Amino acid sequence: KNEVEQSPQNLTAQEGEFITINCSYSVGISALHWLQQHPGGGIVSLFMLSSGKKKHGRLIATINIQEKHSSLHITASHPRDSAVYICAQFQSNSGGSNYKLTFGKGTLLTVNP
Amino acid sequence: DTGVSQNPRHKITKRGQNVTFRCDPISEHNRLYWYRQTLGQGPEFLTYFQNEAQLEKSRLLSDRFSAERPKGSFSTLEIQRTEQGDSAMYLCASSFRDRHEAFFGQGTRLTVV
Repeated sequence: KNEVEQSPQNLTAQEGEFITINCSYSVGISALHWLQQHPGGGIVSLFMLSSGKKKHGRLIATINIQEKHSSLHITASHPRDSAVYICAQFQSNSGGSNYKLTFGKGTLLTVNP
Repeated sequence: DTGVSQNPRHKITKRGQNVTFRCDPISEHNRLYWYRQTLGQGPEFLTYFQNEAQLEKSRLLSDRFSAERPKGSFSTLEIQRTEQGDSAMYLCASSFRDRHEAFFGQGTRLTVV
């Protein structure tokens, strides 16, 4: 069972709409990443957060540590936002010496003009 | 460009051939990760190095796969006797010491024909 669950798997929106992508995880984390991947492209890190909220341009990421849940919001969506958005969490072992990123399966976002 | 560099970006090989990919992490990053991403899926963990030591291997990494990081800098991932199921994007990421921020390469897309 994937320890990082994303929803929805696919999302289609009209240009200008407000987008929300959700990420839930099952174990305590050290940090959570939101990543963007365009078709055929590499991965770009959007946010890394361990508490609260971060904002960059039209992108907002929030995390609730108690509920083990994070959201990525896109305001005033644009066709160029079309991509796969992936959340990934950094987990450490009980000794705190071994870190590993575990990825969600991604959300394919398509923004139509 | 001082980001994570992966070579080659694309590789097409015939079934049964051996292939080797290279990852150059950000200088001074002591942690290096390899992931595999198949179509429609999020990246799956393959293996992880701290300096030159390979600390963890996924059971996804069959005996046809081997990874090295001989001097604690660049890493290579070799696949022997490739199979069509090996076709995927192979991603490398690196991070620094105990910091929970990972940086990603552009990936190597392998197609086995």
